[in-house]
Amino acid sequence: EVQLVQSGAEVKKPGESLKISCKGSGYSFTSYWIGWVRQMPGKGLEWMGIIYPGDSDTRYSPSFQGQVTISADKSISTAYLQWSSLKASDTAMYYCARTRSIAAPPVIWGQGTMVTVSS
Amino acid sequence: QSALTQPRSVSGSPGQSVTISCTGTSSDVGGYNYVSWYQQHPGKAPKLMIYDVSKRPSGVPDRFSGSKSGNTASLTISGLQAEDEADYYCCSYAGSYQVFGTGTKVTVL
Repeated sequence: EVQLVQSGAEVKKPGESLKISCKGSGYSFTSYWIGWVRQMPGKGLEWMGIIYPGDSDTRYSPSFQGQVTISADKSISTAYLQWSSLKASDTAMYYCARTRSIAAPPVIWGQGTMVTVSS
Repeated sequence: QSALTQPRSVSGSPGQSVTISCTGTSSDVGGYNYVSWYQQHPGKAPKLMIYDVSKRPSGVPDRFSGSKSGNTASLTISGLQAEDEADYYCCSYAGSYQVFGTGTKVTVL
């Protein structure tokens, strides 16, 4: 079964760093792109960026460029989303999703990781 | 980049049809035939309902259909059913990244 399993919920303080993960299984991890999507509480979906684990080619949405870092470790079939200094406004559900190209829509989604940033 | 514009809500009675619009620009919706639609129930991950403007993934009922004219894409749900009550988001390729719509809540009366 093709699936993406994300790391568990996080509660952090402003200014702290964080790296959440998304592990793919049931398919060739290096043959598909992994995208990240933010959903703030009660709000809509926002495309953050995407990575191709095969060669680490990474593209960011302009709104998130410089705000987060997307990476992948193909040896363990895992993609990452990280922050160097969290803000309260980073509180959101974060989804990873698999897609066959940067233009194609994600079909397989992870279960989501809730990140709460509060002092 | 700005989110694509969708109506905040639409509603219909069981069996009726509803249409959700998704307005962008020539840099996204109007520039590519890569418009998709997602359904999201509360507390759940989004589910792909339409891709490449009008194609349906396997398993999606043919009550769901998509179209595009210029910078506006549309999702039509025919024969509305109770389980169709959810949030719906359009999504378009915008050249090196994708952009979602603002989201529409569909209510089945």
